Amino acid sequence: AQSVAQPEDQVNVAEGNPLTVKCTYSVSGNPYLFWYVQYPNRGLQFLLKYITGDNLVKGSYGFEAEFNKSQTSFHLKKPSALVSDSALYFCAVRDDSGGSYIPTFGRGTSLIVHP
Amino acid sequence: DVKVTQSSRYLVKRTGEKVFLECVQDMDHENMFWYRQDPGLGLRLIYFSYDVKMKEKGDIPEGYSVSREKKERFSLILESASTNQTSMYLCASSPLGPQGFFGPGTRLTVL
Repeated sequence: AQSVAQPEDQVNVAEGNPLTVKCTYSVSGNPYLFWYVQYPNRGLQFLLKYITGDNLVKGSYGFEAEFNKSQTSFHLKKPSALVSDSALYFCAVRDDSGGSYIPTFGRGTSLIVHP
Repeated sequence: DVKVTQSSRYLVKRTGEKVFLECVQDMDHENMFWYRQDPGLGLRLIYFSYDVKMKEKGDIPEGYSVSREKKERFSLILESASTNQTSMYLCASSPLGPQGFFGPGTRLTVL
């Protein structure tokens, strides 16, 4: 079975400050991990993914995420937040052991960047 | 770039109507998905398809059906729309690999 948790419904950060959006997961095998961003009244846009290899993954718009196997986490980070980063962020996981192509999504975290 | 399009951005229907939501992808992907998104609940999988004429139920299939007659097109059908089906509907497609590509979404209101 696979599951993912985003423990924060909302994250507030000042523009220019670093941001972190948290994600933890649970899988039976090895995880495929994803971050997506959703702007108001839009579909989800892919930000980055971890399949294998380096634990630090770099993605679109200056975002990065760190895979931590011991803590089963895949937190999204950005060194300096922009007001335009304000959006809804979804973490997703897929277990590579089950043969399924279906990812499980978290409930989403609303990121608000204040000017 | 991969493109996933959905037939309508906004749709208003009445209770009891039959509703069709269409999704088209242009990248020859095997897998296609329909999700609904509700505040506080994230994305919930309604149905998915891994090949033409093949379909599998997701987590919340009740009240919905799907059709995939061609590889590029995946339709979601609400046989008799109800107010509790008011939601944002998102279509996605993916190749055999893990990454999904999403359409812009259809915000459906059932009155």
